[in-house]
Amino acid sequence: AQKITQTQPGMFVQEKEAVTLDCTYDTSDPSYGLFWYKQPSSGEMIFLIYQGSYDQQNATEGRYSLNFQKARKSANLVISASQLGDSAMYFCAMREGLTQGGSEKLVFGKGTKLTVNP
Amino acid sequence: KAGVTQTPRYLIKTRGQQVTLSCSPISGHRSVSWYQQTPGQGLQFLFEYFSETQRNKGNFPGRFSGRQFSNSRSEMNVSTLELGDSALYLCASSLSGLSARETQYFGPGTRLLVL
Repeated sequence: AQKITQTQPGMFVQEKEAVTLDCTYDTSDPSYGLFWYKQPSSGEMIFLIYQGSYDQQNATEGRYSLNFQKARKSANLVISASQLGDSAMYFCAMREGLTQGGSEKLVFGKGTKLTVNP
Repeated sequence: KAGVTQTPRYLIKTRGQQVTLSCSPISGHRSVSWYQQTPGQGLQFLFEYFSETQRNKGNFPGRFSGRQFSNSRSEMNVSTLELGDSALYLCASSLSGLSARETQYFGPGTRLLVL
């Protein structure tokens, strides 16, 4: 079964508008971390934002915010005021097993290709 | 602080050959993980090293191996290359892998093409 599901293969948004990229996850571990990465065509994975399973508030980092709904097991990324440079692949990822002392393995979704139109 | 570096950036090999990829983590980071990215399978975890020991391993054949040196630099080796090994290989580093808040920082990747 897929641990991370990103249901939007591609998304389009107008410059300066906000966009939400969906991510749902599946885990029975009470302690886990959720990450969003951006991958431009150059290939490098750029860390954007992190949400811990015990965090009470939704994470925010500049124009990025995470809409974390624990009961629904969703962690959607919201990008406000889109810029042309935001065009890239976006990956949602999860790390489990943290209650057992840590596991470095990240499980990734299939990604969403975001295109920002001028 | 310098980011994660990977060398080489691009490689072309033929079937049956072997290849070694190198990764230098961010200074102070002791955990290094490797991932394979292909259009068909997406991003898949290969293995993770910490203090020169393999701590975690993904579901890849034994042709894929790695090691880590005392300075935390890591190498990945693929022997008897197959066409399906063509991929982007990404290396990521983090402090220790033992904190819920730790982030993995990725390098630019090595694009391997097997002909």
